[in-house]
Amino acid sequence: DTEVTQTPKHLVMGMTNKKSLKCEQHMGHRAMYWYKQKAKKPPELMFVYSYEKLSINESVPSRFSPECPNSSLLNLHLHALQPEDSALYLCASSQESGDQPQHFGDGTRLSIL
Amino acid sequence: GQQVMQIPQYQHVQEGEDFTTYCNSSTTLSNIQWYKQRPGGHPVFLIQLVKSGEVKKQKRLTFQFGEAKKNSSLHITATQTTDVGTYFCAARTSGTYKYIFGTGTRLKVLA
Repeated sequence: DTEVTQTPKHLVMGMTNKKSLKCEQHMGHRAMYWYKQKAKKPPELMFVYSYEKLSINESVPSRFSPECPNSSLLNLHLHALQPEDSALYLCASSQESGDQPQHFGDGTRLSIL
Repeated sequence: GQQVMQIPQYQHVQEGEDFTTYCNSSTTLSNIQWYKQRPGGHPVFLIQLVKSGEVKKQKRLTFQFGEAKKNSSLHITATQTTDVGTYFCAARTSGTYKYIFGTGTRLKVLA
């Protein structure tokens, strides 16, 4: 069982829809991450939040909008996605950013119709 | 940009055989982490290596960091069916706290 909880587990949406992915951890971690993983590929970093401030944006298209309302929660708002955005979206957290193990959630499997 | 390659891409072994995956970076690394992802699962942290030439062991798993801090290896002795999954290295260079995941090695163990 993972200590990072992601909801929903699966999401199917049309290209004009707006939806949000949610991630929650109660380990007191101050760094949180969003990754995108396509089938049989490594996770690709999208965003890093450190102490609730966005510290890394890996040139992600603006149709993905992250939000960190507090130290335990991380959201990813989705709007006008493309079929190529279909993937597994993984949330992770670590005690601090830097030399700390990352704890991953089970992910949200997203399909864009 | 920085690339982290792993070889082999796939490996099928008979249960009881040894397995090694190699992780190579184009740039000098600050540290490296190793993760295991079971089929349908999420990456799970295994170990972190920081020092040049460092060797760490976890039961049947041996992790090594190269002297030049540009490569690393994971060796599994006497594989078991529970070792099935994809093994990723994740590399960080100094001046950034972002990790780049390697291309991964998918291990299948035949009983």
